[in-house]
Amino acid sequence: NAGVMQNPRHLVRRRGQEARLRCSPMKGHSHVYWYRQLPEEGLKFMVYLQKENIIDESGMPKERFSAEFPKEGPSILRIQQVVRGDSAAYFCASSPPGGRGYTFGSGTRLTVV
Amino acid sequence: DAKTTQPNSMESNEEEPVHLPCNHSTISGTDYIHWYRQLPSQGPEYVIHGLTSNVNNRMASLAIAEDRKSSTLILHRATLRDAAVYYCILSVKTGANNLFFGTGTRLTVIP
Repeated sequence: NAGVMQNPRHLVRRRGQEARLRCSPMKGHSHVYWYRQLPEEGLKFMVYLQKENIIDESGMPKERFSAEFPKEGPSILRIQQVVRGDSAAYFCASSPPGGRGYTFGSGTRLTVV
Repeated sequence: DAKTTQPNSMESNEEEPVHLPCNHSTISGTDYIHWYRQLPSQGPEYVIHGLTSNVNNRMASLAIAEDRKSSTLILHRATLRDAAVYYCILSVKTGANNLFFGTGTRLTVIP
């Protein structure tokens, strides 16, 4: 396993379109976390998921953002009706059961034009 | 969540030791001290963590003050590949949802 895989690495969307970001955790990891990093800022926690469950979404904007981690397949962060302020790097991390030993992916850089 | 204070930037010459400070005067007795680093265009990478005693691993050493109100990440010989933003984070609970990244220290390594 090459680690946490995120795709695409770069995504360009026009205002009003939808963005779908994918995260495949490391093998054996059942916990997924999404973070957002605005330019020149630190990472901000968004949402924590286990298979088919959202555990903590305290960092998710109330509108337009959603996340899922289905039984099969990658975790998806979905942003509807994107605006310029959504332009950022979005990172996914995964961990095994027990929650320690986090590994981050290389991120998806979303640009809204 | 307990806050940390780090210098915005530091410079080091290649192959010299680097001491990256972090102040956390409001740390609680059960907070772990974590260090992550973020290389350009990459996600954060775990470096080291500790509770009370100094810690060593293959990447770095962590020196924790006796009163735990500050700590220092030590890179014994800086290389160009160590140029990154270094984050000092306090966390008492497991789960990466409890990692709060500040703006970190941007380390520049001079050849």
